[in-house]
Amino acid sequence: EPEVTQTPSHQVTQMGQEVILRCVPISNHLYFYWYRQILGQKVEFLVSFYNNEISEKSEIFDDQFSVERPDGSNFTLKIRSTKLEDSAMYFCASRIGGTGFTEAFFGQGTRLTVV
Amino acid sequence: AQSVTQLDSQVPVFEEAPVELRCNYSSSVSVYLFWYVQYPNQGLQLLLKYLSGSTLVKGINGFEAEFNKSQTSFHLRKPSVHISDTAEYFCAVSDRRTGRRALTFGSGTRLQVQP
Repeated sequence: EPEVTQTPSHQVTQMGQEVILRCVPISNHLYFYWYRQILGQKVEFLVSFYNNEISEKSEIFDDQFSVERPDGSNFTLKIRSTKLEDSAMYFCASRIGGTGFTEAFFGQGTRLTVV
Repeated sequence: AQSVTQLDSQVPVFEEAPVELRCNYSSSVSVYLFWYVQYPNQGLQLLLKYLSGSTLVKGINGFEAEFNKSQTSFHLRKPSVHISDTAEYFCAVSDRRTGRRALTFGSGTRLQVQP
């Protein structure tokens, strides 16, 4: 069964460093998303991506963040100059798209720890 | 703007007992409604969804939920729980408008099934 895969499963980085979280969406999906879940808190939407551009973003997704689909298979989230409060579980999701409803499939997440 | 409230952060229940996890939402637009489950160290899995039609929807693992428009609720139920149902459950909504399908999640309810 096709699935969304995320690497690494756990990333530890020093405050101020840049990190890139990687996701491989399901191959025929067209919409891609990043969410984050700070420990003990709700899952929050960060950004959605379609047709090689951001289609929607939340107020959390400021200039510190960027997304890219560099090679047609990977979907990456870059966090520049990480802060302690960026520590969270980051989930990637993808959806096939279309005019009707289609389900978003989530990866297992990358746990980012900023020290 | 949309918001989702899950009134119970934790619900302990004995095996084979019934359970109800509560979810209320508010939205200025028409929404789809979802329940997701997160097992330990895993990603989010769609349990069930309400798109339209019958207000009682059935999902995987014997769960069901009922959409109540007047009370803006979408409570999740199971008549008899198993130990394996121990997990975090998230209620979520998304805008019905095409292209704006980002999910807004509640804070989650941890279901703890005891033998």
